[in-house]
Amino acid sequence: QKEVEQNSGPLSVPEGAIASLNCTYSDRVSQSFFWYRQYSGKSPELIMSIYSNGDKEDGRFTAQLNKASQYVSLLIRDSQPSDSATYLCAVRNDSWGKFQFGAGTQVVVTP
Amino acid sequence: DTGVSQDPRHKITKRGQNVTFRCDPISEHNRLYWYRQTLGQGPEFLTYFQNEAQLEKSRLLSDRFSAERPKGSFSTLEIQRTEQGDSAMYLCASSETSGSNADTQYFGPGTRLTVL
Repeated sequence: QKEVEQNSGPLSVPEGAIASLNCTYSDRVSQSFFWYRQYSGKSPELIMSIYSNGDKEDGRFTAQLNKASQYVSLLIRDSQPSDSATYLCAVRNDSWGKFQFGAGTQVVVTP
Repeated sequence: DTGVSQDPRHKITKRGQNVTFRCDPISEHNRLYWYRQTLGQGPEFLTYFQNEAQLEKSRLLSDRFSAERPKGSFSTLEIQRTEQGDSAMYLCASSETSGSNADTQYFGPGTRLTVL
């Protein structure tokens, strides 16, 4: 079992719709959770972080964390063609410092 | 603040040769991480430093890989006797250890290695 799992996609989303991405993790002591966006051939860039159960909103993005169920999700509202990218879920166990990344979910926003 | 920089951006080498990559973190960031990413996969942790101390090295990393951060600023990653399986994007990231952004890793542009 992978430590961080994501659906690989591609997830096809009409422009203006909501994209919903899910991520599950296996290490119960994980404390910090991150979503990164990665365009093809580029390095990951941070979208947002979340540490507590519940929702966290930042512009068109909302992250949701449920530690009991060991999942974290990302919603992208009013999806734009520029949102077409691979979205990486990253989990950090504060004892170790390193991130464990999922393989990413490719999102394709169609005009 | 110019962000994390990496050099070179691309490297093509022949199997068996040694290569060295450099990473300059964001100034005042005392943690530095190296990851490797292959097509269709997320970044895979290789090693990380806090200041000049190497705190963890992946068990997946063979003895051909070595990393240094001699003065707690820039870091180098060396791969000896490269193999075709080493072809990947090598990413460097840095972070603070305190403050509101302590958990956030900022990535450099990466070095793409191709081993022929």
